Amino acid sequence: QKEVEQDPGPLSVPEGAIVSLNCTYSNSAFQYFMWYRQYSRKGPELLMYTYSSGNKEDGRFTAQVDKSSKYISLFIRDSQPSDSATYLCAMTGGYSGNTPLVFGKGTRLSVIA
Amino acid sequence: GAGVSQSPSNKVTEKGKDVELRCDPISGHTALYWYRQSLGQGLEFLIYFQGNSAPDKSGLPSDRFSAERTGGSVSTLTIQRTQQEDSAVYLCASSLGHPNQPQHFGDGTRLSIL
Repeated sequence: QKEVEQDPGPLSVPEGAIVSLNCTYSNSAFQYFMWYRQYSRKGPELLMYTYSSGNKEDGRFTAQVDKSSKYISLFIRDSQPSDSATYLCAMTGGYSGNTPLVFGKGTRLSVIA
Repeated sequence: GAGVSQSPSNKVTEKGKDVELRCDPISGHTALYWYRQSLGQGLEFLIYFQGNSAPDKSGLPSDRFSAERTGGSVSTLTIQRTQQEDSAVYLCASSLGHPNQPQHFGDGTRLSIL
């Protein structure tokens, strides 16, 4: 079993839909959780950064962490064609959270106008 | 530029040649990371530098891979005697090295071994 599991998709939704992206993990030491967005031929761009369990909202994006279930989610409201990209979950443990990240394989999302 | 800068953006070389990949982190960032992204494998950690501490090399796949960081800033990843399985995108990230400071990535070097 890989440390972080993420459905690779592809996921195709109509413009305006609510998108739900998820990852599960096995290492209970993880306590810093991130979502990155990656456009083709570009580096990952940080979207959301959360510590421990709970919710965090930023504009159309909401990140949820459930440490008891070892499950994290990213919700995108009112999805736009510009949201079409690969979404990577990432996580790490350690005192500072600056230790190397463990990534899911990414979910490819297409938002159709 | 305010972001992480990597060069070259693309590199094509013959099997058996050595390659050097460069990373300029965000100014003031003390932590620097190298990752590799290949089809089917996702993003994998290679090596991590934090300030003046000895680097964490636990992710390097073989002794053909090495990296250094000069003056606490620029880093070079070297792959000796390249093999076709080394073909991938090599990504560099940096962070402030303080608690709750996330990693920011460059656009990577796309390496193709013929």
